[in-house]
Amino acid sequence: GAVVSQHPSRVICKSGTSVKIECRSLDFQATTMFWYRQFPKQSLMLMATSNEGSKATYEQGVEKDKFLINHASLTLSTLTVTSAHPEDSSFYICSVPGGGEEKLFFGSGTQLSVL
Amino acid sequence: AQSVTQPDIHITVSEGASLELRCNYSYGATPYLFWYVQSPGQGLQLLLKYFSGDTLVQGIKGFEAEFKRSQSSFNLRKPSVHWSDAAEYFCAVGPYYGGSQGNLIFGKGTKLSVKP
Repeated sequence: GAVVSQHPSRVICKSGTSVKIECRSLDFQATTMFWYRQFPKQSLMLMATSNEGSKATYEQGVEKDKFLINHASLTLSTLTVTSAHPEDSSFYICSVPGGGEEKLFFGSGTQLSVL
Repeated sequence: AQSVTQPDIHITVSEGASLELRCNYSYGATPYLFWYVQSPGQGLQLLLKYFSGDTLVQGIKGFEAEFKRSQSSFNLRKPSVHWSDAAEYFCAVGPYYGGSQGNLIFGKGTKLSVKP
């Protein structure tokens, strides 16, 4: 079964609104979770590292005020796209580090479309 | 610079034919190599991984990959492709030990289409 649950799978919103995406670790506690962004026909790019109980670490070029990350518990991280614009339309994927060799478990992704 | 190159953007094979997807990497440390598969609108599923030992690794769904250090390659193969294998395939490299576990470097992907 799924190790990581990501919700919603698809969201359409109006420009200027905010959208929250949830990532849940189902099988184990995760002090760290990762958020990726994938543009059409492009690879995954790490946006930020979500840290339980502390501030997220953002990759260079990612606006922390636009992409708010909250990791309030050991099983849940949320990514909020604030004041969304059409250029924020993309596929967002979260991942959770696994124990041992598995390295990363990925959520099923969220397709965000901003009108 | 660390990078992953998947030279083929799109490959079409006939069902039942063999498949090889190419992956070359540039990495400064001992690499940890992965192949993931992504169906449309879905997240990534791990097919197989290599970090040490036998350079030919077996994965799920009948896939295998061979690590060739001298060629900095980690090509994915399957002897007989099924229509359900049509998807996007990503090669990725990451640190073997330490570092940010999220910071896998992904190739741009190869889209596989399967002809009946």
